[in-house]
Amino acid sequence: GDSVTQMEGPVTLSEEAFLTINCTYTATGYPSLFWYVQYPGEGLQLLLKATKADDKGSNKGFEATYRKETTSFHLEKGSVQVSDSAVYFCALLYSGGGADGLTFGKGTHLIIQP
Amino acid sequence: GAGVSQSPRYKVAKRGQDVALRCDPISGHVSLFWYQQALGQGPEFLTYFQNEAQLDKSGLPSDRFFAERPEGSVSTLKIQRTQQEDSAVYLCASSLGGRERAKTQYFGPGTRLLVL
Repeated sequence: GDSVTQMEGPVTLSEEAFLTINCTYTATGYPSLFWYVQYPGEGLQLLLKATKADDKGSNKGFEATYRKETTSFHLEKGSVQVSDSAVYFCALLYSGGGADGLTFGKGTHLIIQP
Repeated sequence: GAGVSQSPRYKVAKRGQDVALRCDPISGHVSLFWYQQALGQGPEFLTYFQNEAQLDKSGLPSDRFFAERPEGSVSTLKIQRTQQEDSAVYLCASSLGGRERAKTQYFGPGTRLLVL
């Protein structure tokens, strides 16, 4: 079945460092891909999404490109801030059979130190 | 308007008790989803409604889990005879539905269930 694999955490970086969180997927067909973020004490929020190959999603300085050839959707940010500390989830959505349920990775805990 | 709300936020149950978890989706959202998130894991899909119709319940882990959305708005997830392995955060999400291919799901804060 469909699955998402993302890098294990925690990932600890200094403020202003470059961030990459790897995400790869296996899926039948052509899923839509998402990054969700969960800040401490809050619910899941959509960070960005891409619906087809070569699409780039971007928001709040984060971006990710849908790479069909490598089945990847890596999250990047050029200069992280302490406020980016959160858990990041990569997810896919494959609309087959009317299910429409998201398939999530296990999450990557990001810690940004001042 | 208001986002997705869930109640209670926390629930402690003794093993064998029945629990009911409530979800109020965003007004006008056709689609409603339930997910289960174990500690340190990503959410896992449980079930999906389009209006009042339950179109997919393939993720429900056992017949002790039951969900309903009788009027196409508020939904209740019921767990009968709770077991310790049911301890998790239960997330509800809603979306507009319709023809958009990647319908954004908006999540509630979750209900943290602890079964003793």
